[in-house]
Amino acid sequence: GDSVTQMEGPVTLSEEAFLTINCTYTATGYPSLFWYVQYPGEGLQLLLKATKADDKGSNKGFEATYRKETTSFHLEKGSVQVSDSAVYFCALYSSASKIIFGSGTRLSIRP
Amino acid sequence: GAGVSQSPSNKVTEKGKDVELRCDPISGHTALYWYRQSLGQGLEFLIYFQGNSAPDKSGLPSDRFSAERTGGSVSTLTIQRTQQEDSAVYLCASSLLGQGGFSPLHFGNGTRLTVT
Repeated sequence: GDSVTQMEGPVTLSEEAFLTINCTYTATGYPSLFWYVQYPGEGLQLLLKATKADDKGSNKGFEATYRKETTSFHLEKGSVQVSDSAVYFCALYSSASKIIFGSGTRLSIRP
Repeated sequence: GAGVSQSPSNKVTEKGKDVELRCDPISGHTALYWYRQSLGQGLEFLIYFQGNSAPDKSGLPSDRFSAERTGGSVSTLTIQRTQQEDSAVYLCASSLLGQGGFSPLHFGNGTRLTVT
């Protein structure tokens, strides 16, 4: 069945460091791909999305490119801030009409 | 406007009791999802409602779990004869359209269930 695999956390970085959180997927057809974020004490919210191959989703300085050839959707940010500390979830919309999430990656940024 | 509302926010129950968790989606959203988030785990899909179609129940972990959505709006997740392994945060999400994944999910703040 469809699935999402993302790098295990926690990830701890210093402020202004470069961030990559890896995400790969298995799916039939051509899924839409998402990154959701859960800030401390808040509900999950959509961070960015890409609906077809080679699309780049971006928001709040974060980017992810839909790579069909490597079935990946890695999340990147050039310079992280303390306020980026959160749990990040990679997700796909499957042909079965449901959204499947990865296990989440906890990110902590040191001042 | 109002977001997805879940109640109660916290529920402590004894093993073997039944519990009901409620979700009020955003008005007009046709798709409604239930997920479970256990400590240190990701989001586990439970059930999906889309309009008047038959729900996708493929994620329900056992026949002790059931859910309904009345009038295409409010949904109730029922867990019968609760077990300690049912302890988790139960999340509800809704979206404007279920198909295509173009509409983002809007999540509630969840119900934290503790089975003692």
